[in-house]
Amino acid sequence: DTEVTQTPKHLVMGMTNKKSLKCEQHMGHRAMYWYKQKAKKPPELMFVYSYEKLSINESVPSRFSPECPNSSLLNLHLHALQPEDSALYLCASSQDGAEVNQPQHFGDGTRLSIL
Amino acid sequence: KNQVEQSPQSLIILEGKNCTLQCNYTVSPFSNLRWYKQDTGRGPVSLTIMTFSENTKSNGRYTATLDADTKQSSLHITASQLSDSASYICVVSSTGGSYIPTFGRGTSLIVHP
Repeated sequence: DTEVTQTPKHLVMGMTNKKSLKCEQHMGHRAMYWYKQKAKKPPELMFVYSYEKLSINESVPSRFSPECPNSSLLNLHLHALQPEDSALYLCASSQDGAEVNQPQHFGDGTRLSIL
Repeated sequence: KNQVEQSPQSLIILEGKNCTLQCNYTVSPFSNLRWYKQDTGRGPVSLTIMTFSENTKSNGRYTATLDADTKQSSLHITASQLSDSASYICVVSSTGGSYIPTFGRGTSLIVHP
């Protein structure tokens, strides 16, 4: 079982809905990441939190809003998404701050479908 | 521009056979190179991580090599098993200011009985 837990595993939502993706790790890691992965493509980095502060936002549309309530939790709030936002959303964590370039531990993702 | 190229794009082998996956990169300055295995519907799992000074690293039946001069890496899988069927992703990180890793597009491996 992965040590990074993501919920829900699957989510279907309409373009006007508001939903949130959740990620949790209890390894004491201080950096957490959101990635978007389309079918047969590598993950694309969206956001990086280092020591609970947003350190990277890869020009992600404002309909995606990250939140890091504490060092163990990472949320991704979704609002007014488009069909092209349908993808696998992966959360990852690494031990020290993101700039240390340590291996990332990934969750199994949330499969998001936008109707 | 930092790039990571993987080959082949896909590979089909028989159970018990060996195979080698390739990764070429142009990321500079180089920090480390990682190989991940991603099963269908799952998140990537780290297999190996290598820094500049490391040439070879093994993890069970997986052996990664790194040639920092030619900027090439390979992942060798020995005595393949059906459970090795997955996508294998090469990820390279730079020390040059941005710690955003560069992902390859992956090699899809299918192991047939």
